[in-house]
Parts: sequence; structure tokens; C-alpha cells
Amino acid sequence: KAGVTQTPRYLIKTRGQQVTLSCSPISGHRSVSWYQQTPGQGLQFLFEYFSETQRNKGNFPGRFSGRQFSNSRSEMNVSTLELGDSALYLCASSVDRAFDEQYFGPGTRLTVT
Amino acid sequence: AQTVTQSQPEMSVQEAETVTLSCTYDTSESDYYLFWYKQPPSRQMILVIRQEAYKQQNATENRFSVNFQKAAKSFSLKISDSQLGDAAMYFCAFFSSGTYKYIFGTGTRLKVLA
Repeated sequence: KAGVTQTPRYLIKTRGQQVTLSCSPISGHRSVSWYQQTPGQGLQFLFEYFSETQRNKGNFPGRFSGRQFSNSRSEMNVSTLELGDSALYLCASSVDRAFDEQYFGPGTRLTVT
Repeated sequence: AQTVTQSQPEMSVQEAETVTLSCTYDTSESDYYLFWYKQPPSRQMILVIRQEAYKQQNATENRFSVNFQKAAKSFSLKISDSQLGDAAMYFCAFFSSGTYKYIFGTGTRLKVLA
């Protein structure tokens, strides 16, 4: 069974631009969660999607948004990029519930200049 | 507010020896889940072990076991017979059934010495 895939793996953007990251969960998994990992703030929960609905979200500004498609693939979007958005963005999938075993993707490294 | 604290930024262990990583958390809830995740240098996070708060029995997975002290709000990870492949960042995580969110600790970098 293929693991969680994230594209692209690396991105360089300029302040003020927007970016879209993609995550394909393991086949059969319906829950997809997104996390931001930075050296300063550590690993922070962004949001979780289940059956195309956002089930919960962390404490991030509205510039961070996401969606999930009928095939459970998920995208997250960050608008009006700031330098502080530079981070490793991790996606994780689980079968149904966010507290089930989560399988993480390799992450997308976003650098904002 | 719920918090997760890993007080050991870095730990070292000799190959084949045993090491314990500490984690404490703060919550007023009674229904929650606790996890230890491993993040090797390749960056792919892997679940090591999972504990339901309502279960008194400590979870074990091969060489990995936890010491779950609910009253003390402590959730330490013991790695027995350490191997070079155990070298990684280890994150303790708390999942609240009330807020339905994950909170991660700051991580402990484990070095395994040959």
C-alpha cells in the first residue's frame, strides 16, 4: 500500500504570494490532518479534514485554509505569505478518527523570501 | 490550556542500553490519548506507541514501552536494547477528545552511541 505523498517537496516563494500544497492520503484513509513544523514553535496542528469537511482547526490566521476532495486528497493554501510561514508542512492521514494511528507524509519544505 | 512538556532537549544512550524519555502534560480532561512519535533525520514521522487514557495498562511495542502515570500526568517512553536506528527526534503528543486537537511537545533528540 502506498504511503502518504506530499507535493511539492520543496518550494521557494516570495512574501505576499500565495501557495498551495497537496497531500494524498493512504488509500482508504478518510481523515487528513495538516501540521506546521518550525524550529521555534515546534509542531503545531493546522486543521483536520474528514469526508470533505473541516472537522477542527488550530490557532492559525485565516490566511491558512484547506480543503478535501471526494477521493480524500487534501490541499492547503496559504495566502499573502509572510517570512514566518517558512516551515516544514506535514500531512498525516488516518482511517477515520484523528486519534487513530496517523501516517505522516515526508512534508513540504516552504521557504518564504 | 492543555500543554505537553518534554524537559530533555537531548539524550544520549549507548547501543544496547536502555533509555527513558520524559513527557508531562497538563489537562483537566479525563478522555484523551497520548502518543510517542519518532522523526528520523529523513523527516518522515512515525508512530512509536499509543496509549488511551482510560486504559491503566501501559502500552508496549517490542522494545518500546511507556510508563503512564495518569494522576501525575506523566507519560515516559522507555527504549530497551537501543539500536543505532533509534537515533531520531522523539515527540510526545496529546490528543484531546474534547477539543479534538493534537498538541505536541518540543521534542527530545536521541543520540545512540556505538
